[in-house]
Amino acid sequence: DAGVTQSPTHLIKTRGQQVTLRCSPKSGHDTVSWYQQALGQGPQFIFQYYEEEERQRGNFPDRFSGHQFPNYSSELNVNALLLGDSALYLCASSSSRTGKNYEQYFGPGTRLTVT
Amino acid sequence: DQQVKQNSPSLSVQEGRISILNCDYTNSMFDYFLWYKKYPAEGPTFLISISSIKDKNEDGRFTVFLNKSAKHLSLHIVPSQPGDSAVYFCAAHTGGFKTIFGAGTRLFVKA
Repeated sequence: DAGVTQSPTHLIKTRGQQVTLRCSPKSGHDTVSWYQQALGQGPQFIFQYYEEEERQRGNFPDRFSGHQFPNYSSELNVNALLLGDSALYLCASSSSRTGKNYEQYFGPGTRLTVT
Repeated sequence: DQQVKQNSPSLSVQEGRISILNCDYTNSMFDYFLWYKKYPAEGPTFLISISSIKDKNEDGRFTVFLNKSAKHLSLHIVPSQPGDSAVYFCAAHTGGFKTIFGAGTRLFVKA
């Protein structure tokens, strides 16, 4: 049973550049959420995708955007990178069919460093 | 705006004893509370949840207690094992689709 996978594992970008992070949900899951975890902090909710639509968003600027594909995989795009965007980006999946969409399964994350 | 707070950055416990991790929240509208465990270089792993209409949920060595009047929940691990050493996150689900996490408590279980 494949868990949540994310790519790449690590990424180094320069200020002002754009980045795309990828996530494949756990088998059987149809909902994907993205989180940003800064050092020493808990994960902060960016947004959630379901049925290829963004259905809720946290307090993140429009530079952060996403996409969900028909196979439920997802991408997180960040434009005009700032030094403060350096963080661990976590993808989490859940199932709308179980009635427990609050139980999320996380991937290992992508460590983004902006220089 | 920290709606979920874990005020203890770290906790050290002897193997075999009880570990108690605490969490406070401010929003009465949360419908579920969850605990996640995180090892280095891995994503958080779901441990246990509790509905806002319950006051206790138990799963093996892990028990979560919810005190709604105090807006406080705790995770008890009995008995603690060295493999339990990790960062524990308390989280709250808003009833929409958003989950809010605390900053985490690092648990050290000494052999």
